[in-house]
Amino acid sequence: DAKTTQPNSMESNEEEPVHLPCNHSTISGTDYIHWYRQLPSQGPEYVIHGLTSNVNNRMASLAIAEDRKSSTLILHRATLRDAAVYYCILRDRDAGGTSYGKLTFGQGTILTVHP
Amino acid sequence: GAGVSQTPSNKVTEKGKYVELRCDPISGHTALYWYRQSLGQGPEFLIYFQGTGAADDSGLPNDRFFAVRPEGSVSTLKIQRTERGDSAVYLCASSLMASGRGEQFFGPGTRLTVL
Repeated sequence: DAKTTQPNSMESNEEEPVHLPCNHSTISGTDYIHWYRQLPSQGPEYVIHGLTSNVNNRMASLAIAEDRKSSTLILHRATLRDAAVYYCILRDRDAGGTSYGKLTFGQGTILTVHP
Repeated sequence: GAGVSQTPSNKVTEKGKYVELRCDPISGHTALYWYRQSLGQGPEFLIYFQGTGAADDSGLPNDRFFAVRPEGSVSTLKIQRTERGDSAVYLCASSLMASGRGEQFFGPGTRLTVL
């Protein structure tokens, strides 16, 4: 599985934008870029995903570099509830080549939001 | 609607005992995934089902671990002869199908402690 590299931790102030970077230099053409986050004592929660184009949803925006070797998750106005571990994941096809199954999590970025 | 549920929420057992962990996915979701998470680490994939069959069991650490999903809905993860190293939070997730574009919905996890 292709690997991702994220900073161990980042800090932000409430109501300010947060840019969480992710490097994935060995990404393949069929890999989707997914972001999940995990709040304390909860299971991971889907945030956003993309393939080649930038994506926006109600939670965040995903900016994907033109060569797809890096991406940035953007939280437009951080709140205290956004404090979590954020995982950048490359989702690739199964060995059989027909479906996408598992998520391969790394260490993620611990985001601290200050009031 | 109801999300993914897991029972029990906590399980304490003794080394060498057998345990079963249950996962109730979101109704209608054909894909079901098991992960485990050790303290301070990201979730680690174990196995996933497409319907009743195991589509990928490459993450099961050894033959003490086994999972079933006999009717394509509820799944049970079974661990024989538990060891202290099996202590972790076991997470279950489900998705409509195993798609690169699809999100996985996670349950709250079962915290297993092997004494």
